[in-house]
Amino acid sequence: QKEVEQNSGPLSVPEGAIASLNCTYSDRGSQSFFWYRQYSGKSPELIMSIYSNGDKEDGRFTAQLNKASQYVSLLIRDSQPSDSATYLCAVTAAGGTSYGKLTFGQGTILTVHP
Amino acid sequence: DADVTQTPRNRITKTGKRIMLECSQTKGHDRMYWYRQDPGLGLRLIYYSFDVKDINKGEISDGYSVSRQAQAKFSLSLESAIPNQTALYFCATSDLSASGYNTQYFGPGTRLTVL
Repeated sequence: QKEVEQNSGPLSVPEGAIASLNCTYSDRGSQSFFWYRQYSGKSPELIMSIYSNGDKEDGRFTAQLNKASQYVSLLIRDSQPSDSATYLCAVTAAGGTSYGKLTFGQGTILTVHP
Repeated sequence: DADVTQTPRNRITKTGKRIMLECSQTKGHDRMYWYRQDPGLGLRLIYYSFDVKDINKGEISDGYSVSRQAQAKFSLSLESAIPNQTALYFCATSDLSASGYNTQYFGPGTRLTVL
């Protein structure tokens, strides 16, 4: 079982729709969770971080965390063609010698079509 | 100027050659990381360093070595390059925030091709 697993995609949504990206993780003690956006050939760009159970909203983006279910998601409202990219879920290790390390999921490709 | 820079941005080399990829940062962060990215495999950690005197292996360190020359510089070397090291390589930096969390920021990447 992968440590961080994302819905495989690719995901295609029409412009203006809500895109839902999902991620599960295996380390129950994980403390912080990140969503990065990566355009083709470019470096990952942080778009959301979340540390506590519940929802965190930033503009059109909402991150949701459920530590009991070991699940984190990203919702993109009013999706735009410019949101078309690969979205990477990343999780920080629980502690000890692994503290500060990020483990990434394999990424979900999102395409928003006009 | 970019906070995290990587040189070279593109490199084509031959099997058996020694290659060094360099990373510099002006963010003042203590922590630096090297990742490689292959299609469909996400980002995998090669080495990381939490300060100048601290070097740690990541999940795929075989065939690679690193040097932390200063707080701002972290180099990745391939002692004898092989074709399956063809990939996109990213350097990243981070610093613990006041809340204790660890957000990483990435450089632009180096595309390495080993023939």
